[in-house]
Amino acid sequence: KQEVTQIPAALSVPEGENLVLNCSFTDSAIYNLQWFRQDPGKGLTSLLLIQSSQREQTSGRLNASLDKSSGRSTLYIAASQPGDSATYLCAVKSGGSNYKLTFGKGTLLTVNP
Amino acid sequence: NAGVTQTPKFQVLKTGQSMTLQCAQDMNHEYMSWYRQDPGMGLRLIHYSVGAGITDQGEVPNGYNVSRSTTEDFPLRLLSAAPSQTSVYFCASSYSIKSGANVLTFGAGSRLTVL
Repeated sequence: KQEVTQIPAALSVPEGENLVLNCSFTDSAIYNLQWFRQDPGKGLTSLLLIQSSQREQTSGRLNASLDKSSGRSTLYIAASQPGDSATYLCAVKSGGSNYKLTFGKGTLLTVNP
Repeated sequence: NAGVTQTPKFQVLKTGQSMTLQCAQDMNHEYMSWYRQDPGMGLRLIHYSVGAGITDQGEVPNGYNVSRSTTEDFPLRLLSAAPSQTSVYFCASSYSIKSGANVLTFGAGSRLTVL
């Protein structure tokens, strides 16, 4: 059974700092990994999707990497801003017939002005 | 293009009542799914569908029914609400879950309280 872990559960940084969020998964047989952002009381917004054949994806100040063999992904946020404050979740799509994504419990990021 | 639309946004029920959470998408997505999100538990899959007329169970299907009569709509029915079903419910869809390239798009959520 796939398990996804995100560490730390919460992170507080000053504005302007570069930071890394971590996601680990137990079964390396994945199709893709997605990073989402969730603002309080809102739905999830997809940030980046990395297919199993890819090593990284970039969008603006965000860069996500994937190392399938070690079961790890990182989300790098450059020059953090207070508007980046949110919960960040990773989700892994595994193989098999149940078409299921397994989510981590998220990292709550607070960027202080 | 509205994306994934969920209604209602908020609902309060009494134990034993039934209700339907609506989900509609206008992106011609094959795959639709329902998740519930609870503090400390993360997101858990309730039911999903890979096309009209096809549904299957996820991790936590008990107490919920779904149907997929059209590509656009995927309602979630609570048959006899229980306090344990108090949660935030999210509908999500994707063009094709079989492909590794397709992003999962979420609705804004429906917050349900069962008294």
